[in-house]
Amino acid sequence: GESVGLHLPTLSVQEGDNSIINCAYSNSASDYFIWYKQESGKGPQFIIDIRSNMDKRQGQRVTVLLNKTVKHLSLQIAATQPGDSAVYFCAEKVEGSYIPTFGRGTSLIVHP
Amino acid sequence: KAGVTQTPRYLIKTRGQQVTLSCSPISGHRSVSWYQQTPGQGLQFLFEYFSETQRNKGNFPGRFSGRQFSNSRSEMNVSTLELGDSALYLCASSPSGVGYGYTFGSGTRLTVV
Repeated sequence: GESVGLHLPTLSVQEGDNSIINCAYSNSASDYFIWYKQESGKGPQFIIDIRSNMDKRQGQRVTVLLNKTVKHLSLQIAATQPGDSAVYFCAEKVEGSYIPTFGRGTSLIVHP
Repeated sequence: KAGVTQTPRYLIKTRGQQVTLSCSPISGHRSVSWYQQTPGQGLQFLFEYFSETQRNKGNFPGRFSGRQFSNSRSEMNVSTLELGDSALYLCASSPSGVGYGYTFGSGTRLTVV
């Protein structure tokens, strides 16, 4: 498959471990945050989102945590599986803007 | 329902040529955004169209242009191609374009030789 990102931060985990992917965002006026997963040869796929009036949101096997004090976002994946191997992007949207801004991405490699 | 469809999936063009990429959004989505993805720069916003009007534009030269048709389908055009234009071009559609509900297509891989 095609590589969607070279020179990205990489997180390597064993199957079954919990994974934590971090993202620092830049704008304190951002009011909406999204995590995307991009597999090789595909476009980014929505995973989970969170609004700035929340600190935590849970989905199926995923949890997003938002710390507005230090402008930090994290994605926790429980019981990581080989199919979770992909590049993960965070995106922020500034209040009043139509367009989200994407981070550089983190490559997650899950070893069987 | 059908997702976002981008055509073609792959293109090889020569420097100086022009290229047109197509995006069909999810039915009912009125906003279409275009992004350029490269290993060095990540996902860079090109422009966004809503109801046939360009509503937002990123910091790309005028060689990059786009349009949206009345059925919300969108095209982007790159003229006078340069080697640095080689990238994955992604289209995303959303119902209203305020950053919520983005759905991406699989992209068009453009290689300029």
